[in-house]
Amino acid sequence: DQQVKQNSPSLSVQEGRISILNCDYTNSMFDYFLWYKKYPAEGPTFLISISSIKDKNEDGRFTVFLNKSAKHLSLHIVPSQPGDSAVYFCAASSTVRGGSNYKLTFGKGTLLTVNP
Amino acid sequence: DSGVTQTPKHLITATGQRVTLRCSPRSGDLSVYWYQQSLDQGLQFLIQYYNGEERAKGNILERFSAQQFPDLHSELNLSSLELGDSALYFCASSTGTLSSYNEQFFGPGTRLTVL
Repeated sequence: DQQVKQNSPSLSVQEGRISILNCDYTNSMFDYFLWYKKYPAEGPTFLISISSIKDKNEDGRFTVFLNKSAKHLSLHIVPSQPGDSAVYFCAASSTVRGGSNYKLTFGKGTLLTVNP
Repeated sequence: DSGVTQTPKHLITATGQRVTLRCSPRSGDLSVYWYQQSLDQGLQFLIQYYNGEERAKGNILERFSAQQFPDLHSELNLSSLELGDSALYFCASSTGTLSSYNEQFFGPGTRLTVL
């Protein structure tokens, strides 16, 4: 049972344009969401996160939008750069009160290719 | 560089053998997480330790075990290895404070190949 889904295995965009990566989740207990970027032969790198009490969080070229009613989040990258080419993972967590149990449930990733 | 170190980078072994993967968290981080990434799967949570104590367990096989030592480094022990255990194993750490969510920072991973 895949609780976090990234339905697009790959996405190709032109340099300078917007990249939109999508993620859906099924578990209503998830209340914190993160995006990680991964280059080959490296570990995932934290990009940006959003708490379920917000619907948008922005950090430079990266913006994450959360639609709780649709159980959907998206990552916007504007403008896209060739160095953004990587696998992007969506992850979700359920913050358990009284503990520091913040395990992440990951989607399978989307390979973003930004063409010069 | 995330500040999380993992050794070894690559490990090749035979079925039935036992291996130990090591992780040193970022300085000051109390929580350590282990994840497995197989070819056809995303990153799967295995187990979490917080300040030396097991905090959460995911889909970790009984053949696998882990521990976190007083200096906060962690080891993941995999025994009676099978071909299907071949995967990338990632360690992540976070500060682990109870008041709010803490982002996890990942190490470069250990690639395990079981022949």
